[in-house]
Amino acid sequence: NAGVMQNPRHLVRRRGQEARLRCSPMKGHSHVYWYRQLPEEGLKFMVYLQKENIIDESGMPKERFSAEFPKEGPSILRIQQVVRGDSAAYFCASSARPFPDTQYFGPGTRLTVL
Amino acid sequence: QKEVEQDPGPLSVPEGAIVSLNCTYSNSAFQYFMWYRQYSRKGPELLMYTYSSGNKEDGRFTAQVDKSSKYISLFIRDSQPSDSATYLCAMGSNTGNQFYFGTGTSLTVIP
Repeated sequence: NAGVMQNPRHLVRRRGQEARLRCSPMKGHSHVYWYRQLPEEGLKFMVYLQKENIIDESGMPKERFSAEFPKEGPSILRIQQVVRGDSAAYFCASSARPFPDTQYFGPGTRLTVL
Repeated sequence: QKEVEQDPGPLSVPEGAIVSLNCTYSNSAFQYFMWYRQYSRKGPELLMYTYSSGNKEDGRFTAQVDKSSKYISLFIRDSQPSDSATYLCAMGSNTGNQFYFGTGTSLTVIP
């Protein structure tokens, strides 16, 4: 399957712990986007990365959240000291070319903070 | 005011009906318009991607963009139970790096 891969699919953390979400883009794609989806809300853009570069992080909360897309390996969305309000579905999308190229989404990671 | 407004539904139609889904937007700079389908607890799947105004057809799906009214539509002909899902509109412009999504319309097609 050459689609966008995300893991884990489900993640449970207690308040104050760290959450690490991984995204492997489609083969040949070097552009990655992270979105958050809350119940009754649409997908909200968080960050746009290209290999080793953050292109746009205007949708990312200023504290506790960080993202990277290293030269080798998956893109990582890291949430430190999680709070209950971080509970959501986090989706990764990838594209072959820069924005506004077509974005293909992964299955998402559902984060639950107890 | 939200960038993109979408009626959340839910919308329930009999099999074979024509379905019309709509979004309005406020940013006149938007020129890229998409429709995604999202099944429960799955990732969004791209259905249509259109640029600027006009119509685009793909099988049973037709996307329409009316930039003068800031209004986009997705029509589904001969709807099937397998079309039951949430439909998300999304749009963007050359002046940014992000697509803006509607909240989604939940559709159920009854056999």
